[in-house]
Amino acid sequence: GQSLEQPSEVTAVEGAIVQINCTYQTSGFYGLSWYQQHDGGAPTFLSYNGLDGLEETGRFSSFLSRSDSYGYLLLQELQMKDSASYFCAVRPGTALIFGKGTTLSVSS
Amino acid sequence: KAGVTQTPRYLIKTRGQQVTLSCSPISGHRSVSWYQQTPGQGLQFLFEYFSETQRNKGNFPGRFSGRQFSNSRSEMNVSTLELGDSALYLCASSIRDRPNTEAFFGQGTRLTVV
Repeated sequence: GQSLEQPSEVTAVEGAIVQINCTYQTSGFYGLSWYQQHDGGAPTFLSYNGLDGLEETGRFSSFLSRSDSYGYLLLQELQMKDSASYFCAVRPGTALIFGKGTTLSVSS
Repeated sequence: KAGVTQTPRYLIKTRGQQVTLSCSPISGHRSVSWYQQTPGQGLQFLFEYFSETQRNKGNFPGRFSGRQFSNSRSEMNVSTLELGDSALYLCASSIRDRPNTEAFFGQGTRLTVV
C-alpha cells in the first residue's frame, strides 16, 4: 500500500519561510503532488514533482528526492492568506492518495 | 468553464438512515473520485470511477457505494448511517489519471449524522 507522513501542524510569522516535509512509502514511484486547502474550502493543486530537484512557482517551491522517498513544500515571504492545510499526495494508479495534511498558521 | 459541483452542500441525517450525494465533474473529465475528510484524518480515498466503471476502492465498509452515469456525473450512497460517518465528503474530477494530473475538487457536502 501507500503511506505518506507529514507534520500535523506548523506555525510561522508573516514574512518568514516555512518548510513542510513529506515522507512516503509506495510500491513504486509516481511523483509527488501538493494541494492547499483553506478552512471551509476545496483543496486546490499547488505543484507536482516527477523528477528529483526543485520546482518553483512564485513564492512556493516543491522539492523531491526519490532516493530518500522525501519531498517538501517551501513557502517564502509568508502572508496571512497562506494559513491553510497543505497535503502531499501520490497517484499510484487511478486514485490520488493523500497524507493527513499539515495545518499552517501564519501570525502577524 | 464550470467547476466541480457537489449537491447538497449540507445535510443532516439520523442514524440508520441512508444518504445519496451527487457530483457533477468538469465537462470533459471522465474520472471522478470521492474522499471522506474528517479532522485529523486528512482526505481518505473512498472510490474512483472512470467511464461508469469503478476502478479503485478505498478501505471503507460496504455501506459506502457509488456509481457513475454515462454523462460522468457520479453519486455516492451511504446506507445505515452511523455517527462516525459525519464528515465532509469531497468529489474530485480529473481529465486523465497520469501521476501529474491535477485533480479538481468540489466544495464538498458536509454530512452530519445525529
